[in-house]
Amino acid sequence: DAMVIQNPRYQVTQFGKPVTLSCSQTLNHNVMYWYQQKSSQAPKLLFHYYDKDFNNEADTPDNFQSRRPNTSFCFLDIRSPGLGDAAMYLCATSRERGISEKLFFGSGTQLSVL
Amino acid sequence: AQTVTQSQPEMSVQEAETVTLSCTYDTSENNYYLFWYKQPPSRQMILVIRQEAYKQQNATENRFSVNFQKAAKSFSLKISDSQLGDTAMYFCASLLGSGGGADGLTFGKGTHLIIQP
Repeated sequence: DAMVIQNPRYQVTQFGKPVTLSCSQTLNHNVMYWYQQKSSQAPKLLFHYYDKDFNNEADTPDNFQSRRPNTSFCFLDIRSPGLGDAAMYLCATSRERGISEKLFFGSGTQLSVL
Repeated sequence: AQTVTQSQPEMSVQEAETVTLSCTYDTSENNYYLFWYKQPPSRQMILVIRQEAYKQQNATENRFSVNFQKAAKSFSLKISDSQLGDTAMYFCASLLGSGGGADGLTFGKGTHLIIQP
């Protein structure tokens, strides 16, 4: 049974056309993360929510936004996708923010920008 | 800033052999966790094994074990009796504490492990 669910599995958008990726979790975890993974590269943390508190990484472009309307759902909004934003986007959750916490990952959304 | 370095972009071994993947990291923190994640072609990130820095004993999970050398900041993964299903990208990662708690994993660039039949 999937615990961290990302939809859709594949998303195609046009250059400059806003796109939203979704993540939901059945674990009731407090923390939700968004990672960007470009082809043959390591996942890179974009931001995370601790409950309702939003934490942005310093080098995350302003083009990337996130919303967490409730505990279960978190959205990644790309306001004006460029060709360089084509990547796998991974959502992950953890129960708390402590360093002993395990992260649970979704299967990712592969974003293509035409 | 924390860094995680994996110096082997790709490795290939025969089925049933033992293989060791290397990882070094850099941190000034005293306590932290280190992880190995497996990412098969499905792209699902799967936790293989984790190690707390304060524990001297190396973690073991069935065929997977680590060699944690804290002074050298080295954290290698050994896979014994390798199987075809072990073929995947393997990422080394660290999780450090900050004022408000951990802020997410920092990953190395990964090692593509291929198990040959």
